[in-house]
Amino acid sequence: SQELEQSPQSLIVQEGKNLTINCTSSKTLYGLYWYKQKYGEGLIFLMMLQKGGEEKSHEKITAKLDEKKQQSSLHITASQPSHAGIYLCGADMEYGNKLVFGAGTILRVKS
Amino acid sequence: DVKVTQSSRYLVKRTGEKVFLECVQDMDHENMFWYRQDPGLGLRLIYFSYDVKMKEKGDIPEGYSVSREKKERFSLILESASTNQTSMYLCASSLFDLAGGPGEQFFGPGTRLTVL
Repeated sequence: SQELEQSPQSLIVQEGKNLTINCTSSKTLYGLYWYKQKYGEGLIFLMMLQKGGEEKSHEKITAKLDEKKQQSSLHITASQPSHAGIYLCGADMEYGNKLVFGAGTILRVKS
Repeated sequence: DVKVTQSSRYLVKRTGEKVFLECVQDMDHENMFWYRQDPGLGLRLIYFSYDVKMKEKGDIPEGYSVSREKKERFSLILESASTNQTSMYLCASSLFDLAGGPGEQFFGPGTRLTVL
């Protein structure tokens, strides 16, 4: 969706390197959901952020929502081949039950 | 664990055929969603339902219809399949959120539909 911009579109990193994926909106994000998708499969929920300045971590993945609640970042530390896949952000922009999704970031990790 | 299942992983149909995609969830979720996913476009919402027999159009409902006769089952129907409906179709479900938000959505494995 153009309402939610994800960058970069794709990323190739060497195993062990850190990386960051961004999700940006011109509107307030009332909830921001990060999902991971392996090629040809469904989406797996990673984390959800709601409050400005909030940060959550799970294993080597950290997600943050900025104070203005218009941008979120997903940071992976010491990437591994198991991190490869498509990362999507989905946002509650107060359209009721709907989530608006970004176009996704394809991550490849080279061994 | 929440489980969302879809009737087929891969489907090949011919132009003009009527196509049914089935989705079943086992966690008593009120909300169910159908998306299509295309490269570079992300997920786009086709239809969603917040209760049995209730449905609402999403962003791209043209050429599709839905049916929700039972709480656990949400069907997507392509009345007359066309080649531009070749895509990955994803079903999702979520609990009703008192605050009115979408809540965490749980996704099925997807159905890759090819229309020839």
